[in-house]
Amino acid sequence: EVQLVESGGGLVQPGGSLRLSCVASGFTFSGCWMTWVRQAPGKGLEWVANIREDGSDKYYVDSVKGRFTISRDNAKNSVYLQMNSLRAEDTAVYYCTRAYSSWFARNFDYWGQGTLVTVSS
Amino acid sequence: QSAPTQPASVSGSPGQSITISCTGTSSDVGGYNYVSWYQQHPGKAPKLMIYDVSNRPSGVSNRFSGSKAGNTASLTISGLQAEDEADYYCSSYTSSSTLVFGGGTKLTVL
Repeated sequence: EVQLVESGGGLVQPGGSLRLSCVASGFTFSGCWMTWVRQAPGKGLEWVANIREDGSDKYYVDSVKGRFTISRDNAKNSVYLQMNSLRAEDTAVYYCTRAYSSWFARNFDYWGQGTLVTVSS
Repeated sequence: QSAPTQPASVSGSPGQSITISCTGTSSDVGGYNYVSWYQQHPGKAPKLMIYDVSNRPSGVSNRFSGSKAGNTASLTISGLQAEDEADYYCSSYTSSSTLVFGGGTKLTVL
């Protein structure tokens, strides 16, 4: 059974940092693109970043470029999102997702339960 | 990159068919056959319903179908059922090597 379990969310002050983790199981993690998608409270979905199977390519939405870094450790079946210089508008549930189609992770068949990040003073 | 436009809400009666549109530009929806559709029930993670414009993942009912004409993609649900009531989101690959979601559509089954 495919499982994606996120952790690391919480309350952080504006300008602060947080590192999200996602541990995957039930599939060959090193063979899949992985993606972070977020959803602000009561709002729609927003694609945040993705990473190629071997970590060699990474892509980001403009609003997080230079502040967020996606990474992965295939030996630990884990993908991470390092979030720095956090802003109130980064407040959201962050989902870890697995790519369904192999190229660019353009769609997602498995989602984690989400971890809530709240940026507030 | 602007989000593709979806109607805020659509509604239909059980057994009817409804269509949700997703209008983008030639830089996203119109430029690539990489449009997906997701269903999200309240408090739940989204579920992939359609990928690459018109393909259904295994296990998704054939009542769900997708299509595209120009810069507009569409999701059609036939034989509407109460369980179809949910939020629906389109997504598309973009020329900037990013992915963009539509604003979402709330489907109400009357």
